[in-house]
Amino acid sequence: EAGVTQSPTHLIKTRGQQATLRCSPISGHTSVYWYQQALGLGLQFLLWYDEGEERNRGNFPPRFSGRQFPNYSSELNVNALELEDSALYLCASSFGTVDEQYFGPGTRLTVT
Amino acid sequence: KNEVEQSPQNLTAQEGEFITINCSYSVGISALHWLQQHPGGGIVSLFMLSSGKKKHGRLIATINIQEKHSSLHITASHPRDSAVYICAVRGGSNYKLTFGKGTLLTVNP
Repeated sequence: EAGVTQSPTHLIKTRGQQATLRCSPISGHTSVYWYQQALGLGLQFLLWYDEGEERNRGNFPPRFSGRQFPNYSSELNVNALELEDSALYLCASSFGTVDEQYFGPGTRLTVT
Repeated sequence: KNEVEQSPQNLTAQEGEFITINCSYSVGISALHWLQQHPGGGIVSLFMLSSGKKKHGRLIATINIQEKHSSLHITASHPRDSAVYICAVRGGSNYKLTFGKGTLLTVNP
């Protein structure tokens, strides 16, 4: 069974541009979570989608947004990129909200 | 003070040693996760537990809900166990994960 997949693996953008990151959950999983791992800051919760709805978001500005599609895949959009947005963005999925989360390999975003 | 505290931050061991990594948290939780992150970033979920003890191979995780404390043990450590180990807690009502800063484990041959 395929695990959580993310694309692209690496993404280089310049300040002010927009970035779109994609995540495909494990088949049958309906919840998708996004996390940011910036250098020196550890993992931080970004967004949680379940059944197509945004259920919770972390302490991030509104320029971080996303959506979940009917097939449960998800997109994370970051507008007006800033240098400090450079980080590893991890997606995880779970079957239900109380089940174990399985992580994807991440997308490394570099903003120059 | 962080909601999730891990100790030690760094740990160096010789192959074969018994390893313990500790995690303390200050909020009510519905579950605690132990994660492993290798260089390059990939994260593997090792355990999710809400009470008692779980064992998988050479790894053992315990949690004491009353004391708000969990430990991850590695028996007969091996250089391939070298990684960052991260403790994360899931809130009772909002299901989001809050992470510790991680413990960098290096096992020398």
